[in-house]
Amino acid sequence: AQTVTQSQPEMSVQEAETVTLSCTYDTSESDYYLFWYKQPPSRQMILVIRQEAYKQQNATENRFSVNFQKAAKSFSLKISDSQLGDAAMYFCAYLIQGAQKLVFGQGTRLTINP
Amino acid sequence: GAVVSQHPSWVICKSGTSVKIECRSLDFQATTMFWYRQFPKQSLMLMATSNEGSKATYEQGVEKDKFLINHASLTLSTLTVTSAHPEDSSFYICSARDQVGSGSHFGPGTRLTVT
Repeated sequence: AQTVTQSQPEMSVQEAETVTLSCTYDTSESDYYLFWYKQPPSRQMILVIRQEAYKQQNATENRFSVNFQKAAKSFSLKISDSQLGDAAMYFCAYLIQGAQKLVFGQGTRLTINP
Repeated sequence: GAVVSQHPSWVICKSGTSVKIECRSLDFQATTMFWYRQFPKQSLMLMATSNEGSKATYEQGVEKDKFLINHASLTLSTLTVTSAHPEDSSFYICSARDQVGSGSHFGPGTRLTVT
């Protein structure tokens, strides 16, 4: 069975600093997608970034970037220049090509200290 | 684009009654929608996958007779919690996918409180 593990239940960072959230996954598939979702206090799930497994280049969206290590089955999220609005729960998720459902990690609660 | 709405956002009902939650994809067609339940400070737990025009596929441990799902059109799926009890109180979230391989677009969620 596919599993997604986020080993950091909570993280904190000073405003304007950089923080990295960890995610590992277990799969025997070769073609899949990985995602990071943000859930702020409003509880609205927001897609932060997406990575196709066949792409070697790490995805980047403004201040958000990933370090995708396919052989190690690792997919970490780096947030640069942290802002107060980045405070949220962050969920790593995995989707097999052709499958329907996302598999979520346990989440990491990120606190931004002013 | 790719907006998903949910209605109501918050509902309080009495034990033994049923409550219906609607999930709509506003600007795209969603052949597949998903229903999740989320307890405080926990991850999303998938309850069922809803495909337009066919019966929903429920995850193990989810009572299909208690959580009725209908996906009548490409833009609407409903979740009905039948004979609700206080233990059904939770945050329910729907999501929809607009194309293969894309991330799901999530609704804002519905907070259900059963008294």
